[in-house]
Amino acid sequence: GAVVSQHPSRVICKSGTSVKIECRSLDFQATTMFWYRQFPKQSLMLMATSNEGSKATYEQGVEKDKFLINHASLTLSTLTVTSAHPEDSSFYICSVRHGRNTEAFFGQGTRLTVV
Amino acid sequence: DAKTTQPNSMESNEEEPVHLPCNHSTISGTDYIHWYRQLPSQGPEYVIHGLTSNVNNRMASLAIAEDRKSSTLILHRATLRDAAVYYCILGGSDKLIFGTGTRLQVFP
Repeated sequence: GAVVSQHPSRVICKSGTSVKIECRSLDFQATTMFWYRQFPKQSLMLMATSNEGSKATYEQGVEKDKFLINHASLTLSTLTVTSAHPEDSSFYICSVRHGRNTEAFFGQGTRLTVV
Repeated sequence: DAKTTQPNSMESNEEEPVHLPCNHSTISGTDYIHWYRQLPSQGPEYVIHGLTSNVNNRMASLAIAEDRKSSTLILHRATLRDAAVYYCILGGSDKLIFGTGTRLQVFP
């Protein structure tokens, strides 16, 4: 199965700064990756679908100018949280999937704390 | 995407079987039933998925009702490491939309 690696696993940043989170598919070329956000004691919420070589598709209510997604290669997608605020503190998780109705593989998550 | 309904929480003792139910009365004919679990502070982990027939793998079994409006994830012998939130998801598209899941507690 695919191995998905996220970096960093934990990051603390100051309000107003930007943070970049990397998601790598180590053994699978992923034309599509998915980004989720999870607040404490809540379920995962799909933020956007990252498409290699084209623009990401954002879910309703997710600000595309705040959460910048770049999928420049088949093995790397990045999520940049711009002008971070304390309410952006959350657990961010990426995922890859071989195709519809196949199993999905998830990264270990990145815990972002904005102070 | 069709909705699933799961109990918020369940408890089990170690070494006992666990049956985690999921209702999906609005499932469409092409929707697969997926199960994932999430341990604390980790990304979700694939457990099992199926369409119509019951499925078995090294982690669990999936029993699917004949009308496909419900399914049950079966952990044959719960261990402390099985304590997690279990999500039942209908996979009709490339995206996986997570519901609230069932938090499973396992007691020694």
